[in-house]
Amino acid sequence: GDSVTQTEGLVTLTKGLPVMLNCTYQTTYSPFLFWYVQHLNEAPKLLLKSSTDNKRTEHQGFYATLHKSSSSFHLQKSSVQLSDSALYFCALTHMSNYNVLYFGSGTKLTVEP
Amino acid sequence: NSKVIQTPRYLVKGQGQKAKMRCIPEKGHPVVFWYQQNKNNEFKFLINFQNQEVLQQIDMTEKRFSAECPSNSPCSLEIQSSEAGDSALYLCASSPTQNNNQAPLFGEGTRLSVL
Repeated sequence: GDSVTQTEGLVTLTKGLPVMLNCTYQTTYSPFLFWYVQHLNEAPKLLLKSSTDNKRTEHQGFYATLHKSSSSFHLQKSSVQLSDSALYFCALTHMSNYNVLYFGSGTKLTVEP
Repeated sequence: NSKVIQTPRYLVKGQGQKAKMRCIPEKGHPVVFWYQQNKNNEFKFLINFQNQEVLQQIDMTEKRFSAECPSNSPCSLEIQSSEAGDSALYLCASSPTQNNNQAPLFGEGTRLSVL
């Protein structure tokens, strides 16, 4: 079946360092991937959505590349800020399921001064 | 600011009571989703609509939940008889189409506590 795996549950970093949050997926359909960010007591907000295979997509300093060969859509940022502390979810959908999202288990990113 | 509006933000019910929450989707978004986010932050899809019609729902929703999206009224999700395990954040999301490159827009959720 369809699924998304995020291997890191908790990531703690010092401000200014780079970060990569892993996301791999499983589906037999052509995938669309998203990254959502959820701050405490707020709505999940779209951070990034996948483009075509092997094309990088960027927003607010974050970037990710869909690699169908490795079924991955890892999230990266070159220099994290305190305000990046939040929950990050990778989500998968495809043409056959009415845009229903399959979410990963989430990664809690904490950025320290 | 475009928004999905969910009410109430917090809901406290006893076991066996009905629990009803509402959602006003973003203007121009005919596709509406309900998800449950548990205390471990895991998401579970419950049901989705296009206009007033149900597109998909899981077994649990069919048996224990009542949901609708009437025209010109908020969408609603109601648990017929609340259980302790229903304590969670209920998130409504809306989308302009069923196309997969249109990321659903989420509301802030209704946090249900079942005592």
